[in-house]
Amino acid sequence: ETGVTQTPRHLVMGMTNKKSLKCEQHLGHNAMYWYKQSAKKPLELMFVYSLEERVENNSVPSRFSPECPNSSHLFLHLHTLQPEDSALYLCASSQEIFGQGASSGANVLTFGAGSRLTVL
Amino acid sequence: AQSVTQPDIHITVSEGASLELRCNYSYGATPYLFWYVQSPGQGLQLLLKYFSGDTLVQGIKGFEAEFKRSQSSFNLRKPSVHWSDAAEYFCAVGLNDYKLSFGAGTTVTVRA
Repeated sequence: ETGVTQTPRHLVMGMTNKKSLKCEQHLGHNAMYWYKQSAKKPLELMFVYSLEERVENNSVPSRFSPECPNSSHLFLHLHTLQPEDSALYLCASSQEIFGQGASSGANVLTFGAGSRLTVL
Repeated sequence: AQSVTQPDIHITVSEGASLELRCNYSYGATPYLFWYVQSPGQGLQLLLKYFSGDTLVQGIKGFEAEFKRSQSSFNLRKPSVHWSDAAEYFCAVGLNDYKLSFGAGTTVTVRA
C-alpha cells in the first residue's frame, strides 16, 4: 500500500464506548497529524507528532487520546465521547513537520481518506 | 489574529465554463499557500502550492492560482471545468509554526 491509510472508514459508537482510529503512512514521513472536519467549518488541528513526539495538543478534550508508537502509525483513542464529536477525522503526514524548512517543498501534508465518526 | 477566508460557500458553474475560487488571508508575513480538493468520501488532495517565486502557480488537473501580495489573496482558477471537478475546495495557509490553517471550503457544483 502507498499513501496514508485510515481505518475504520466509518465508526458508530455510543457515548460510553471506547474505540480507536488508526492511521498508517507508507511514505517514510516523520510527522503526523490529526485534524477534525465538521460540516461547513474549517479543519481543526488536533494533534501533531514529529518523530513520535507530540508537538501540539491544540486544546483538545481529554476524551481524545493520541498515540504514536512509531513514525508510521498514529492512533486516536476515543472514550466517553459526546454527540458533538461526530465528524470526519483526517490523518495527515509530511516529510518533516510543517513549517520547518517548508520552503523545500518537502513538507506538504498528505491526507488520508478520513474516518467518519458518529456518536449516538 | 491569523485567519483564512473563503468568501464563497457554494458556486455553481456550467461544464466548460471558467471557474474562480477566492481565498483571502490575514497574516503578518507572507505565508505558505495551498489549495486542496476533497471529493465526496475522500480525503484532501493537494492541487497546488506557493512558497516563493513566480506568483502564478500551476497545479494538477488544469488548475492554477495567483498570489497577490497587495490583496492578501490566493485565488484558484480553471479555464474550463469538467463534471469531475465537482468537489469541495479548501484554501490552506501556514507560517513557520507547524500550524496549517484551512478555510471553511467552497463547494463547487457543475451543471451539464
